[in-house]
Amino acid sequence: DGGITQSPKYLFRKEGQNVTLSCEQNLNHDAMYWYRQDPGQGLRLIYYSQIVNDFQKGDIAEGYSVSREKKESFPLTVTSAQKNPTAFYLCASSIRPAEVNDMNTEAFFGQGTRLTVV
Amino acid sequence: DAKTTQPTSMDCAEGRAANLPCNHSTISGNEYVYWYRQIHSQGPQYIIHGLKNNETNEMASLIITEDRKSSTLILPHATLRDTAVYYCIVRPRGTGTASKLTFGTGTRLQVTL
Repeated sequence: DGGITQSPKYLFRKEGQNVTLSCEQNLNHDAMYWYRQDPGQGLRLIYYSQIVNDFQKGDIAEGYSVSREKKESFPLTVTSAQKNPTAFYLCASSIRPAEVNDMNTEAFFGQGTRLTVV
Repeated sequence: DAKTTQPTSMDCAEGRAANLPCNHSTISGNEYVYWYRQIHSQGPQYIIHGLKNNETNEMASLIITEDRKSSTLILPHATLRDTAVYYCIVRPRGTGTASKLTFGTGTRLQVTL
């Protein structure tokens, strides 16, 4: 089935360790996004990528890094520089709005990874 | 991307229509209005989108004002399973425009018996 997969669903790490969250999609989408969600809050954009080998910082990029070496994969690394890494992380993908006019550019979301740093 | 403003929370009785408002007064001519919802601890789910005409699908209806500065998502017969956080966002159309796809805090809809 086509879709977007995040793994693992739950992740525990010790403070000071880097951790990488996986996001894979088989929808042939160029654009991919990473969000962070804290309890009772909305989604905040960390990084986004419109095409392979290119990505831009979102609103809260500090302490995070990404790579986009393949179209289907957009891994997020939470580094030790991130002050409050415990959160729910969501990945999404979509057609690039830049590609077409008047098409539905809805974003498809994964089921999220809940990261707890102790 | 244009900013959106939504009420923090709303209640609706099961079986009644839920009308969720959204203000997007700085929307530009090349931006669509999109609605998503997020059920607890899951990824957001697309509901509907529109540019300037009213839209309807199997999930909901979207009413956009003539000046496009606000819109209303209508769930015609709300059920308990519609309890979720509803996000209204604006997203550019067309070529040459990169999009951050920014979400706000949304409206928490509670459907009650």
